[in-house]
Amino acid sequence: EPEVTQTPSHQVTQMGQEVILRCVPISNHLYFYWYRQILGQKVEFLVSFYNNEISEKSEIFDDQFSVERPDGSNFTLKIRSTKLEDSAMYFCASSINWGNEQFFGPGTRLTVL
Amino acid sequence: KNEVEQSPQNLTAQEGEFITINCSYSVGISALHWLQQHPGGGIVSLFMLSSGKKKHGRLIATINIQEKHSSLHITASHPRDSAVYICAARSSNYGGSQGNLIFGKGTKLSVKP
Repeated sequence: EPEVTQTPSHQVTQMGQEVILRCVPISNHLYFYWYRQILGQKVEFLVSFYNNEISEKSEIFDDQFSVERPDGSNFTLKIRSTKLEDSAMYFCASSINWGNEQFFGPGTRLTVL
Repeated sequence: KNEVEQSPQNLTAQEGEFITINCSYSVGISALHWLQQHPGGGIVSLFMLSSGKKKHGRLIATINIQEKHSSLHITASHPRDSAVYICAARSSNYGGSQGNLIFGKGTKLSVKP
């Protein structure tokens, strides 16, 4: 069964460093999403992406964040200068179309020291 | 303001018990998701529904659009059902957060043998 994959599973970085989180959505899906879950809190929407551009973003998704689909398979989330409060689990998801069921990846745990 | 509320926050059950988790939402929605988050953090989509009822194995999800309420039921619960169950509403409001998921805080279920 096709699934969303994410790498790495755990990333540790120093404050101020850039990180890139990678996702491979399900191959025939057209919409891609990033979500964040700070430890002990609820999951929060970051950004949705379609046709090589951002379709929507939340207040959390400020200028420090960017997303890209550099090739036909990967979907990346970049944090330019990480802060302590960026420590969280980051989930990628994809859906075949807008409004369809979203399938989640296993998440990347980001720890900023 | 919590647009998606779940109850209870924590639930402990004995193996075999019938379990109900509730979700109420205040926004207009186009669909509601039930998700399962494993102890390791991964998220699995269980159901997406916009009306009526859906069933998959021992899991049943219902939604009442007029009352803005959904329930997730687990029949003949088993220790392997222990997880956090998350309700997420897809807003139907045009513009703003249209289409993106608004998450509840989750219900932590523990099923004892």
